Amino acid sequence: GAVVSQHPSWVICKSGTSVKIECRSLDFQATTMFWYRQFPKQSLMLMATSNEGSKATYEQGVEKDKFLINHASLTLSTLTVTSAHPEDSSFYICSARGGGHSDEQFFGPGTRLTVL
Amino acid sequence: AQSVTQPDIHITVSEGASLELRCNYSYGATPYLFWYVQSPGQGLQLLLKYFSGDTLVQGIKGFEAEFKRSQSSFNLRKPSVHWSDAAEYFCAVGASDKLIFGTGTRLQVFP
Repeated sequence: GAVVSQHPSWVICKSGTSVKIECRSLDFQATTMFWYRQFPKQSLMLMATSNEGSKATYEQGVEKDKFLINHASLTLSTLTVTSAHPEDSSFYICSARGGGHSDEQFFGPGTRLTVL
Repeated sequence: AQSVTQPDIHITVSEGASLELRCNYSYGATPYLFWYVQSPGQGLQLLLKYFSGDTLVQGIKGFEAEFKRSQSSFNLRKPSVHWSDAAEYFCAVGASDKLIFGTGTRLQVFP
């Protein structure tokens, strides 16, 4: 149980385009979802926290107009990287918390974004 | 400031050898501490966590960790490493609503 999926697992796009990444909790209702960014050989950095039906809370330094987060249902959150640029290339990981797992986050496998 | 330090970027051990991965933290309150493992193409999997109580915590896959408040450490140990343990290991501190991760330790296992 407590499985989180992400789609796509990797994506390549041209500079200036927008990319949407989906995060789904497959077997539990995720009241809270988190989005992280991981640079090569570096740690995971929390970008934002979203509660179902509410606006996301962004960490300091993260542009909310650049990284649009939607958490419209208890099983789905999306991250849209708008007008992507090469510096947005990174590994994006989501996690989810909810159901009977209130004290633990369950992580998705991540999405590798490459912006050309 | 809250932070997590994993001093070892890369560790190599022989299969069957013992393992200790170091983690030091800086946190204002009583910390919640976690160890995660990340394999290529897979999400982070929780190995173990410490919230309170017994400072020696048992986790999955034969791992354990010991919380030492005086040293601000939460080192991960395994008595006998298996080839399948090769992965990236992350220590994290915080609560379930905000985790701060260390930079990770890559474990390589030689047969």
